[in-house]
Amino acid sequence: GEQVEQLPSILRVQEGSSASINCSYEDSASNYFPWYKQEPGENPKLIIDIRSNMERKQIQELIVLLDKKAKRFSLHITDTQPGDSAMYFCAASETGGNNKLTFGQGTVLSVIP
Amino acid sequence: GGIITQTPKFLIGQEGQKLTLKCQQNFNHDTMYWYRQDSGKGLRLIYYSITENDLQKGDLSEGYDASREKKSSFSLTVTSAQKNEMAVFLCASSIWGGAVAEQFFGPGTRLTVL
Repeated sequence: GEQVEQLPSILRVQEGSSASINCSYEDSASNYFPWYKQEPGENPKLIIDIRSNMERKQIQELIVLLDKKAKRFSLHITDTQPGDSAMYFCAASETGGNNKLTFGQGTVLSVIP
Repeated sequence: GGIITQTPKFLIGQEGQKLTLKCQQNFNHDTMYWYRQDSGKGLRLIYYSITENDLQKGDLSEGYDASREKKSSFSLTVTSAQKNEMAVFLCASSIWGGAVAEQFFGPGTRLTVL
């Protein structure tokens, strides 16, 4: 089955700087790559996703990049704020079927004021 | 919009005990999932169900059973709780097929085994 590696596991940045999280996957059939944010004590929520027909997608301060050849994708949070502090998960899936997601191990992001 | 409800919110069990976790969704989603989340680790898929009466094993199915009683509900059973086990079990649901695979998560059940 699919395997997704996520790094780093812990990330600390100063408020206003950028934060980057990197993921890699193994199955070339994967074509959908969502990112979930989980705040302490809360359930994971989808914040941005990208499909394999795109290389870049931006929603406000969130940017995702996808390199299909290298089987890598990444999340970049520009101008980080304390409210961005949370656990972030990347995932990969092949859509059109059961939508089974394989998640990365998670990154704990702390934004220091 | 919709909501996913998980019961109980906290579950304390004894070693060897059989424990059942319940999940209900009103999104009218076809597919439901059970994940286990351990501290410092990602979400690992235990079981999923594409539609009512369907059951598929995930990567972590050993030690668990599941049951999709009807479209809106999906139960997970820990067949024999392991001593000192602590984890959060998350239920999720999504549409089946299509181009959008967003999964919506419930609030979780926190399991502690004494």
